[in-house]
Amino acid sequence: AQSVAQPEDQVNVAEGNPLTVKCTYSVSGNPYLFWYVQYPNRGLQFLLKYITGDNLVKGSYGFEAEFNKSQTSFHLKKPSALVSDSALYFCAVRDRTGGGNKLTFGTGTQLKVEL
Amino acid sequence: DAGVIQSPRHEVTEMGQEVTLRCKPISGHDYLFWYRQTMMRGLELLIYFNNNVPIDDSGMPEDRFSAKMPNASFSTLKIQPSEPRDSAVYFCASSPRTGIGNNEQFFGPGTRLTVL
Repeated sequence: AQSVAQPEDQVNVAEGNPLTVKCTYSVSGNPYLFWYVQYPNRGLQFLLKYITGDNLVKGSYGFEAEFNKSQTSFHLKKPSALVSDSALYFCAVRDRTGGGNKLTFGTGTQLKVEL
Repeated sequence: DAGVIQSPRHEVTEMGQEVTLRCKPISGHDYLFWYRQTMMRGLELLIYFNNNVPIDDSGMPEDRFSAKMPNASFSTLKIQPSEPRDSAVYFCASSPRTGIGNNEQFFGPGTRLTVL
């Protein structure tokens, strides 16, 4: 079985400050990990993914995420937040072994960036 | 590339009516997924197809829901009869074929369904 936890329903940060959106996962084997963003009344958009190799993954719009196997985490980060980053963020996982092609999504974290 | 296309974008119907949602995946993508999003339950995978064949429909809530993919460029999700608790945003997504299962999914804009 595969699962994802996003412990924070909402994260508030001031523009220009660094942001972190937390994600932890559980899989039987090794994971593929993804971050998606959803703007109001829109579908989910892919931000970045971890497949293998370097634990620090860089993605769209200046976002990055760090894979930490010992802590089973894949937190999303950005050094300097923008008001336009305000959106709903989803972490997702797929087990490399036996997971088929199904992504399991977290419940989402609403990011609010204020001036 | 037009991306994943869904229609209609909004649907309002009365309880008991049949509802059909439509999806056109990105050309060349071999996988197609149907999701449902609600405030209470978040994003749920209903069913997915590979090369037009249903692979996993364990997320389909009950027999009132059915999905088909008659060809590589078209899929439908049907609810018959519809109930107010079916009100949600329904997303279609597609992804290309991959041998190691790591390709991201591309989502459509969704269909907002309201059942009165």
